[in-house]
Amino acid sequence: NAGVTQTPKFRILKIGQSMTLQCTQDMNHNYMYWYRQDPGMGLKLIYYSVGAGITDKGEVPNGYNVSRSTTEDFPLRLELAAPSQTSVYFCASSYRAGTTSEAFFGQGTRLTVV
Amino acid sequence: GENVEQHPSTLSVQEGDSAVIKCTYSDSASNYFPWYKQELGKGPQLIIDIRSNVGEKKDQRIAVTLNKTAKHFSLHITETQPEDSAVYFCAASKGQAGTALIFGKGTTLSVSS
Repeated sequence: NAGVTQTPKFRILKIGQSMTLQCTQDMNHNYMYWYRQDPGMGLKLIYYSVGAGITDKGEVPNGYNVSRSTTEDFPLRLELAAPSQTSVYFCASSYRAGTTSEAFFGQGTRLTVV
Repeated sequence: GENVEQHPSTLSVQEGDSAVIKCTYSDSASNYFPWYKQELGKGPQLIIDIRSNVGEKKDQRIAVTLNKTAKHFSLHITETQPEDSAVYFCAASKGQAGTALIFGKGTTLSVSS
């Protein structure tokens, strides 16, 4: 059972480039989340989804977009990369809302914008 | 907005000692408080959680206590081992619907043998 899989693991982008961080889960979870983790700052919620076709903003959504066309996939899109988006990005999923069941995290994507 | 404060940011103990990490939260509607452990190069993993109708929960060497009146909760690790070395995050559910979690900034625990 793979759990939550993120690709790529590492990426270097130039300022202004765009990219999509991929996230897929095989646990049939309804809830999925994207967090970013900056050194010494914990995890900040970017976007989340409560099911296919439904997404909502978290604490730090500016500069990002998401879509949820299937239960399994929840890609995160960066349209115009900026140095402030250098971070480690984590995708997570849970069976019910994060308050009532365990959230499973992927291994993370380390993104550097230069 | 909602906020979770976590202390200390770093903690060094000798093997066999106890370790305590404390968190406070601001959202009075929060009703779920998980703790995550993150090892180097990996994603966070749930180690224990507590809900607002419970004051204490224990799982082997790990325990969590919750004081809803004071809005703080703590993680207690007894008989620490080198493999307990990691970054620990506390979190609190966001708002009454609790759709997502607000995380503390993390505590780096080092256990030396």
